[in-house]
Amino acid sequence: EVQLVQSGAEVKKPGESLKISCKGSGYSFTSYWIGWVRQMPGKGLEWMGIIYPGDSDTRYSPSFQGQVTISADKSISTAYLQWSSLKASDTAMYYCARLVRPWYFDYWGQGTLVTVSS
Amino acid sequence: DIQMTQSPSSLSASVGDRVTITCRASQGISNYLAWYQQKPGKVPKLLIYAASTLQSGVPSRFSGSGSGTDFTLTISSLQPEDVATYYCQKYNSAPRLTFGGGTKVEIK
Repeated sequence: EVQLVQSGAEVKKPGESLKISCKGSGYSFTSYWIGWVRQMPGKGLEWMGIIYPGDSDTRYSPSFQGQVTISADKSISTAYLQWSSLKASDTAMYYCARLVRPWYFDYWGQGTLVTVSS
Repeated sequence: DIQMTQSPSSLSASVGDRVTITCRASQGISNYLAWYQQKPGKVPKLLIYAASTLQSGVPSRFSGSGSGTDFTLTISSLQPEDVATYYCQKYNSAPRLTFGGGTKVEIK
């Protein structure tokens, strides 16, 4: 069974750093792209970027380029999304999801709620 | 960038009604379109890909059609468990995977 299990909810202060994770199981983690999707409170879905764990090829949405870093550790079947300096506007639910070529999301993680507040 | 516009943004219909949601691309995207369902407080779920192919396990009352710039998601007989927000997503050019703004479906 394909599963993507994300790390737990986080509460952070503005300016702090954060790295959240997404662990895949039940399939060949290095053979599928993983994407990250943001959902701000009461809003729609926004794709942030994608990574191919096999070789760490990473592509970012122009809206998120330079704002976040996506990485992966194929040895532990885990993808990451990180911020170096959080802002209140980063408060959102973040989902990881597996991508099927050509490029739609077939399995989703349970989501990680990030709250940034002073 | 290609923009995806969904309409309506929300609708209210009775159980058993036929419901149609539209997604329009600002440029042609062939059939590179997926539909997702997100129930309140839940994770998005893939319903349809390649504009009209039903994902395994999705009830047959859901169907998709269209090609080029105009696409529709149809629920042939609305059920209470279909209350959700529905999103289209285009994927013709990786990795620009733009989502539509969503359509919230409620029961009248």
